[in-house]
Amino acid sequence: AQSVTQLDSQVPVFEEAPVELRCNYSSSVSVYLFWYVQYPNQGLQLLLKYLSGSTLVKGINGFEAEFNKSQTSFHLRKPSVHISDTAEYFCAVSDQGTGGFKTIFGAGTRLFVKA
Amino acid sequence: EPEVTQTPSHQVTQMGQEVILRCVPISNHLYFYWYRQILGQKVEFLVSFYNNEISEKSEIFDDQFSVERPDGSNFTLKIRSTKLEDSAMYFCASSGASGRGKTEAFFGQGTRLTVV
Repeated sequence: AQSVTQLDSQVPVFEEAPVELRCNYSSSVSVYLFWYVQYPNQGLQLLLKYLSGSTLVKGINGFEAEFNKSQTSFHLRKPSVHISDTAEYFCAVSDQGTGGFKTIFGAGTRLFVKA
Repeated sequence: EPEVTQTPSHQVTQMGQEVILRCVPISNHLYFYWYRQILGQKVEFLVSFYNNEISEKSEIFDDQFSVERPDGSNFTLKIRSTKLEDSAMYFCASSGASGRGKTEAFFGQGTRLTVV
């Protein structure tokens, strides 16, 4: 069965500092990997996804993530964060099975950017 | 860009009442899903639906829940007799068989259900 572990429940960081949000997954099959952002009282917005090919994936808002198959990781990074990046970030894994495109989410990491 | 729409955005209901959450998936998508997010917790898979039947469901999706595609455009989640612990954000999603829809599920903005 697929699972996702987000290693940090909260990450406080100062504005303009770099940040890395960690994610590890487990799956017995080839998977697709995603990062979603959720701003307070809002829905899920896709930041980026990894399907195949280049292991470095660039997304919206200056975020990028690197797929590492040997370490089963998909960490999210941003070189310089803004106050507006304060939000909940979810790593997710999915594959195409009989149930379609079922997505399994991690527990989330709350990024708190301080001035 | 096509999007999944959910109505209402917020619904308050009395405990024990039936509630129906509505979703309009992207028009050419074939797979439909419901997810739940209890406040402050992660997003959990409830059910997937394909070809007018449930293709997979989680342990959360018990007999209190049902899904339906009553016409060619809507996809609904019914909770028969709501409990306080059903209070959550409910997300609808859809995916397809080609293009971007084949490689990701598209999520709606959610319906916040509050059971009082």
